[in-house]
Amino acid sequence: EAGVVQSPRYKIIEKKQPVAFWCNPISGHNTLYWYLQNLGQGPELLIRYENEEAVDDSQLPKDRFSAERLKGVDSTLKIQPAELGDSAVYLCASSPGGLAGTYNEQFFGPGTRLTVL
Amino acid sequence: AQSVAQPEDQVNVAEGNPLTVKCTYSVSGNPYLFWYVQYPNRGLQFLLKYITGDNLVKGSYGFEAEFNKSQTSFHLKKPSALVSDSALYFCAVRESQAGTALIFGKGTTLSVSS
Repeated sequence: EAGVVQSPRYKIIEKKQPVAFWCNPISGHNTLYWYLQNLGQGPELLIRYENEEAVDDSQLPKDRFSAERLKGVDSTLKIQPAELGDSAVYLCASSPGGLAGTYNEQFFGPGTRLTVL
Repeated sequence: AQSVAQPEDQVNVAEGNPLTVKCTYSVSGNPYLFWYVQYPNRGLQFLLKYITGDNLVKGSYGFEAEFNKSQTSFHLKKPSALVSDSALYFCAVRESQAGTALIFGKGTTLSVSS
């Protein structure tokens, strides 16, 4: 079974430039998460999708961050414009939806390491 | 509000010795507790979870954890450490209510020396 796929693995950009990250969850997983992981810290939730609906985006900085999951499968997270402080690892995770998702663990992708210069 | 504390930034043990990585939590209701491991340049890998039932939970790679409700702890343990266990370990908690977010601790680096 294929795991959560993320691309690119690494991205280096100049500040004020836009950047996008892509995630393909495990097949059949209705719930998709985007996390931000700063160096030396645990992951922090940015947004959670149930199918194509964003059900928790309270921690997403909406002035510069946006996300979409148009067909309820893969998802894109965008930053525009990027700032120096956005340098971090962006992790995508998925889990089964519904009641099973409440009990189950989340499966994480390898992450995208963003460096903003 | 939910929170997780991992009081040790780093734990050092010799190969073959038992290891413990500590975790305490705070939630308003019943907790669901998880341990993940992260190797360099890789995503988080699930080790084990406590949802309900037996307080001693066994997981991958010989790891286990004990849920202690009175001490609000969920320490990760292994009877005999391997050098290959060296990695970053994260404890995470969520409330049992559906739709609540998973909250991670800051992580503990485990270093196993040969």
